[in-house]
Amino acid sequence: LAKTTQPISMDSYEGQEVNITCSHNNIATNDYITWYQQFPSQGPRFIIQGYKTKVTNEVASLFIPADRKSSTLSLPRVSLSDTAVYYCLVQSSGAGSYQLTFGKGTKLSVIP
Amino acid sequence: NAGVTQTPKFQVLKTGQSMTLQCAQDMNHEYMSWYRQDPGMGLRLIHYSVGAGITDQGEVPNGYNVSRSTTEDFPLRLLSAAPSQTSVYFCASSLLGRPGDNEQFFGPGTRLTVL
Repeated sequence: LAKTTQPISMDSYEGQEVNITCSHNNIATNDYITWYQQFPSQGPRFIIQGYKTKVTNEVASLFIPADRKSSTLSLPRVSLSDTAVYYCLVQSSGAGSYQLTFGKGTKLSVIP
Repeated sequence: NAGVTQTPKFQVLKTGQSMTLQCAQDMNHEYMSWYRQDPGMGLRLIHYSVGAGITDQGEVPNGYNVSRSTTEDFPLRLLSAAPSQTSVYFCASSLLGRPGDNEQFFGPGTRLTVL
């Protein structure tokens, strides 16, 4: 089973860029790395996904180094509404089994 | 579209009771999954389905059964509830690929307490 490690919490001021890194091992070359956002009492919401180099969408960027042993979610110019828990998700498949691993989450607090 | 719906929102059971958590989606997604979320543990995959009639086990399947008779519905059955099954349960669906291959849409969750 792939293992993931994320910081438990982070604080940031409004308007700053926030980078959250997830360390992971045992993921295959072509397996996706995905990040989700979760607000209290809600289900997780998809943010971004990629499997190599850099991916950017309207809300975030995802950086994946060549060795794929980590990934970094970058949130530009955060606002109070970005206060949430952020999870990385990796998957691995081999020997006929499929495994999906969510990180334990990083609680981001945005300060006015 | 209602997206992914789950019922009930809250449930209290006694040890040994059985119940079914309901999940439905109206997006015609092939893939559906069940997760449990415990404090400090992130989400863990219980079972998933790649289409009607096809299910497979995830990381923590013991004590749970699933079936997928239609594309829309994916109920999760607790056969004999135990306090260790106290958790928040989320259902999710995705259009294509395995649960980790594409964007998953999550329901609002069911908070289950087993006494």
